[in-house]
Amino acid sequence: QVQLVESGGGVVQPGRSLRLSCAASGFTFSSHAMHWVRQAPGKGLEWVAVISFDGSNKYYADSVKGRFSISRANSKNTLYVQMNSLRDEDTAVYYCARGQSPAAAGTPPLDYWGQGTLVSVSS
Amino acid sequence: SYVLTQPPSVSVAPGKTARITCGGYNIGTKSIHWYQQKPGQAPVLLIFYDSDRPSGIPERFSGSNSGNTATLTLSRVEAGDEADYYCQVWDSNSDHYVFGTGTKVTVL
Repeated sequence: QVQLVESGGGVVQPGRSLRLSCAASGFTFSSHAMHWVRQAPGKGLEWVAVISFDGSNKYYADSVKGRFSISRANSKNTLYVQMNSLRDEDTAVYYCARGQSPAAAGTPPLDYWGQGTLVSVSS
Repeated sequence: SYVLTQPPSVSVAPGKTARITCGGYNIGTKSIHWYQQKPGQAPVLLIFYDSDRPSGIPERFSGSNSGNTATLTLSRVEAGDEADYYCQVWDSNSDHYVFGTGTKVTVL
């Protein structure tokens, strides 16, 4: 069965960096686009970034563009997001999710989600 | 950027029908997906491409999309349907994925 397990969350000071990972199993990782979606405490879902099956195309939400970088290692079945210049408003649970198709852009849904990892930005 | 508007909350008695709307400009021209998120859990894909159900999702959940409004319908509501529900589309103008504001369903 499809499994997505996020790790790397924790407490970090404003302006510092953090890298999250998402270990995938139960499907052909290299055939699917992958997403990061976050949810601030008590708030709704906010899409963060997506990467195509081969890493050639990436898109970012305006709120993180220039600060966050999504990447993947298909040989390790792992998705990453490097988060730099963190702000208080980046505090959230970060979910990785599988795109239903290989392409980063387009209409297919996010069909499987991990359980999330909490990032808390605080001084 | 593209905006999807949902009612903050919907209340429904057990066995009745609840309808959750998702408003957006010409949303009927887009493919919409719906997600269910129970307290303390990750979201789950509930409806995709307007009205398709993933395997394992009961037929009680259905969707439609036309004009400026998409609708998720929960028929014969059960206590276990209490959750937050989110709509989602791909906005080709901005190359962004967009989630709706979310609707909390309470079963009375």
